[in-house]
Amino acid sequence: DSGVTQTPKHLITATGQRVTLRCSPRSGDLSVYWYQQSLDQGLQFLIQYYNGEERAKGNILERFSAQQFPDLHSELNLSSLELGDSALYFCASSVNSPSGNTIYFGEGSWLTVV
Amino acid sequence: GQSLEQPSEVTAVEGAIVQINCTYQTSGFYGLSWYQQHDGGAPTFLSYNGLDGLEETGRFSSFLSRSDSYGYLLLQELQMKDSASYFCAAGRDDKIIFGKGTRLHILP
Repeated sequence: DSGVTQTPKHLITATGQRVTLRCSPRSGDLSVYWYQQSLDQGLQFLIQYYNGEERAKGNILERFSAQQFPDLHSELNLSSLELGDSALYFCASSVNSPSGNTIYFGEGSWLTVV
Repeated sequence: GQSLEQPSEVTAVEGAIVQINCTYQTSGFYGLSWYQQHDGGAPTFLSYNGLDGLEETGRFSSFLSRSDSYGYLLLQELQMKDSASYFCAAGRDDKIIFGKGTRLHILP
């Protein structure tokens, strides 16, 4: 158990809908990262927050947004969902910005868009 | 741009040694790390190289050469439970970028 908690574990929704994925980082970790992993694809970096502020952005679609709250939990919002958005979404956390490249992943949220 | 290249699949025999290579085109990064991911599971941290050279952690070792933009993960005394995907990753500007992963198949 990495200490990173993600909910929901599984989610099935229809095209055009909006979903929110939630992440609680490890105790004491200030940085939260979001990644998307599609079938046979690597881990695509979406966005990173540090202590409530956005620090880095990857290939995140405009339909997607995220935020980190004062209690350091984070939410990833996916809207106008398309079939291609079906993927495993990981949250990860680290104490600070990625020195040492050691980040701890949650178990992921499986999103299926039908 | 930033990219890390690694082979898509590697096959080895139980008890043997296997090396998974990673080449990168990421300037100014701070180190190379390796993660293991079993099917349906979360990636877990294996090893990190902040400086050139070899880092050893039990059966796993990792190597980095900045001048060659190259690193590798070495797995010794392979066990069936090592069947998984292995990702190299590099950090820069608050991002950690992952390679597409190498699927390791282990034959009995």
